[in-house]
Amino acid sequence: KNQVEQSPQSLIILEGKNCTLQCNYTVSPFSNLRWYKQDTGRGPVSLTIMTFSENTKSNGRYTATLDADTKQSSLHITASQLSDSASYICVVSPGSSNTGKLIFGQGTTLQVKP
Amino acid sequence: DGGITQSPKYLFRKEGQNVTLSCEQNLNHDAMYWYRQDPGQGLRLIYYSQIVNDFQKGDIAEGYSVSREKKESFPLTVTSAQKNPTAFYLCASSIDLWFPGFGNQPQHFGDGTRLSIL
Repeated sequence: KNQVEQSPQSLIILEGKNCTLQCNYTVSPFSNLRWYKQDTGRGPVSLTIMTFSENTKSNGRYTATLDADTKQSSLHITASQLSDSASYICVVSPGSSNTGKLIFGQGTTLQVKP
Repeated sequence: DGGITQSPKYLFRKEGQNVTLSCEQNLNHDAMYWYRQDPGQGLRLIYYSQIVNDFQKGDIAEGYSVSREKKESFPLTVTSAQKNPTAFYLCASSIDLWFPGFGNQPQHFGDGTRLSIL
């Protein structure tokens, strides 16, 4: 069964600190992996998209890594800010799908405290 | 600015009532999607549409219906047959459904409609 599991479920850090969110998936074949940020009461916003051949991709203070062999991805946030408080969602696109259907993780809720 | 507009932001449904959620996009995207988000769960696909006048059931289509009469619009109706409609509903669009070469295109999301039962 194609699944995407994220950890931890929630995380609290102090402003200015770094943190790393984890994503493990069992989707096979695999096309690409995406990280989204979702503020409370808003829609998700795309942070990064990586194909199976990419190992890392950055977007400002956000850096995503991908290990297609172990089927693991991480999202590293550097020098966290209060505005980073949100839910972060890992999303995998199956390689066999030509319908745009994506498999969503349940998200990690990050709270950044002053 | 181009984007996706969902309305209303909050909606209440009475017993036996059908309600319609609006989704409009001005991104000139061909593909549109409807998702349901429940606490502690990943987004689940309700319906999707690749082109005008064509749409397909997603993973949890029972109790829902859609139409795609215009490229810009993809309204979702939550019917009285949906016994547990309370959720956050998200509309999304992408340039096209995935195929090699366009797999890196993100889905753009609206800001959702929160539906509750009266």
